[in-house]
Amino acid sequence: EVQLVESGGGLVQPGRSLKLSCAASGFTFSDYNMAWVRQAPTKGLEWVASISYGGSNTHYGDSVKGRFTISRDNAKSTLYLQMDSLRSEDTATYYCARRGSSGYFDYWGQGVMVTVSS
Amino acid sequence: DIVLTQSPVLAVSLGQRATISCRASQSVSISSINLMHWYQQKPGQQPKLLIYRASNLASGIPARFSGSGSGTDFTLTIDPVQADDIAAYYCQQSRESPHTFGAGTKLELK
Repeated sequence: EVQLVESGGGLVQPGRSLKLSCAASGFTFSDYNMAWVRQAPTKGLEWVASISYGGSNTHYGDSVKGRFTISRDNAKSTLYLQMDSLRSEDTATYYCARRGSSGYFDYWGQGVMVTVSS
Repeated sequence: DIVLTQSPVLAVSLGQRATISCRASQSVSISSINLMHWYQQKPGQQPKLLIYRASNLASGIPARFSGSGSGTDFTLTIDPVQADDIAAYYCQQSRESPHTFGAGTKLELK
């Protein structure tokens, strides 16, 4: 059974940093591209970042480019999102998702809440 | 960026057909491959993949869900609607980065 379990969320002040983790199991992690998708309270879904299966290619949404870094450790089957210079508008539930071959997200974690507030 | 437009709310009766539309600001198809996907999200839960590449049913999804469309116009159909289908539905394109989502359609009971 595919499982994605996020951790690392919480309350953080504006301008500070936070690192999210996503532990994957039930599939060969190193065979799949992965992504982070977020959802602000009562809002829709926003793609944040993606990373290729080997980790060499990364892509970011315009709203986080230059502030967030996606990475992975295939030996640990874990995906990361380093979030720097956090803003109030980054407040959201962050989902880890596995990407299918055509760019869809076929499995999602339960999500982790990040609140940016003073 | 490719903008995906969805109606905010659709009211339906149980047992009837629900048709949810998604219009893209430019084509999301490459040759015969339609890079449009659909998700269901219930309150407090993560999204779930329903349909990929416009018309392919994801694993474990009931056959009352179906998808169609090409180019810029796509449709998710639920027939017949059951009580468990009351949720928000999102379309998503993977034709171009950023891989944008529609704002979602909330399916409500009439």
